[in-house]
Amino acid sequence: ILNVEQSPQSLHVQEGDSTNFTCSFPSSNFYALHWYRWETAKSPEALFVMTLNGDEKKKGRISATLNTKEGYSYLYIKGSQPEDSATYLCAHYNAGNMLTFGGGTRLMVKP
Amino acid sequence: DVKVTQSSRYLVKRTGEKVFLECVQDMDHENMFWYRQDPGLGLRLIYFSYDVKMKEKGDIPEGYSVSREKKERFSLILESASTNQTSMYLCASRGLEQPQHFGDGTRLSIL
Repeated sequence: ILNVEQSPQSLHVQEGDSTNFTCSFPSSNFYALHWYRWETAKSPEALFVMTLNGDEKKKGRISATLNTKEGYSYLYIKGSQPEDSATYLCAHYNAGNMLTFGGGTRLMVKP
Repeated sequence: DVKVTQSSRYLVKRTGEKVFLECVQDMDHENMFWYRQDPGLGLRLIYFSYDVKMKEKGDIPEGYSVSREKKERFSLILESASTNQTSMYLCASRGLEQPQHFGDGTRLSIL
């Protein structure tokens, strides 16, 4: 049973649109939250490692926020490009050193 | 850069065969992991290892075993392959306080 939930499961946007999606996770025993980007035919690559409540991280047009008290993280993509098309995975690390992945959000950006 | 190498990208085996999936990492990481990825179910942890000769069950260990005789190599074994083990298998390694680094995956089909 996934207790790390991602929504939406899939998303179609036009090139240039900004978009965001959500990862929710148990707020107890929180240790870290990871975001990964998984392109088709490639391996998942780490985007962000977030550990503190209120963390905001940014890499180019992609940014993420973290709320550990209410158990959610948002990933934002500004001005989506076709090369942003991928599955975005979040993973929750609890204090017991267990990493649980969400089901992913599949983003498709149309040119 | 961390390199995690899985021995095969695609593999086709028959029901009842013993199947070995090999994974090698070159960064001296203590932690190594085997996941399977199925549509709608996200990444599910099969087994992981914190050190040589050490193994721990993940969420779905049934039908699988693992071997970690050397630090850089973590093998996943399907003792008697069944059709419900047709899946994408991902190996990952992780250093202390680091995100996971994934291999390219092995798409295994059991006929």
